[in-house]
Amino acid sequence: AIVLNQSPSSIIASQGEKVTITCRASSSISSNYLHWYQQKPGAFPKLVIYSTSYRASGVPSRFSGSGSGTSYSFTISRVEAEDVATYYCQQGSSNPYTFGAGTKLELK
Amino acid sequence: QVQLKESGPGLVQPSQTLSLTCTVSGLSLTSNSVSWIRQPPGKGLEWMGVIWSNGGTDYNSAIKSRLSISRDTSKSQVFLKMNSLQTEDTAMYFCARRRSGNYFDYWGQGVMVTVSS
Repeated sequence: AIVLNQSPSSIIASQGEKVTITCRASSSISSNYLHWYQQKPGAFPKLVIYSTSYRASGVPSRFSGSGSGTSYSFTISRVEAEDVATYYCQQGSSNPYTFGAGTKLELK
Repeated sequence: QVQLKESGPGLVQPSQTLSLTCTVSGLSLTSNSVSWIRQPPGKGLEWMGVIWSNGGTDYNSAIKSRLSISRDTSKSQVFLKMNSLQTEDTAMYFCARRRSGNYFDYWGQGVMVTVSS
């Protein structure tokens, strides 16, 4: 199974700050198969970025993604209070599809 | 609009079989694939398996021997059956629509399943 190592495991940021999460895969993944989700407490995961860099419908432009091969990143350009959540990367390259352990974003 | 909704028992005894239903609306199961994904309390997400639009299935090898996914297209329902449940199977169980690239764009609210005697 492809293991996804997400870092950091938690972030404390101020409103307006830029934050970046890294996802490193144990094997190379096509950029078509690396995705990011946002999960707020008590809710289902919400797709934010698919295929490395495409924003899902209705997702604000402050969210972006990039990367290739085994190294991918997810950025919020200016954090807002509503962005407090846990973020997960996910690979759909090979069965079993796997998720990173998550990054918990909190506000300072 | 696309909606998915999970249903099933909230409590299952150890060693028993879990049966869950995912009822979908706004999409056809003959042209869409649906996955089951679970999340133990306070932990991360685990992909369990998928039923493809053609009715074929694929499972996570870690639980493949215990898992079965099926569907009734006339009722727009996808079913999950998992046997030999243990306490570590306690989790929120989600169904989600799978898209090309194997990501999940629509999710149900989830159903909490507790395995306990």
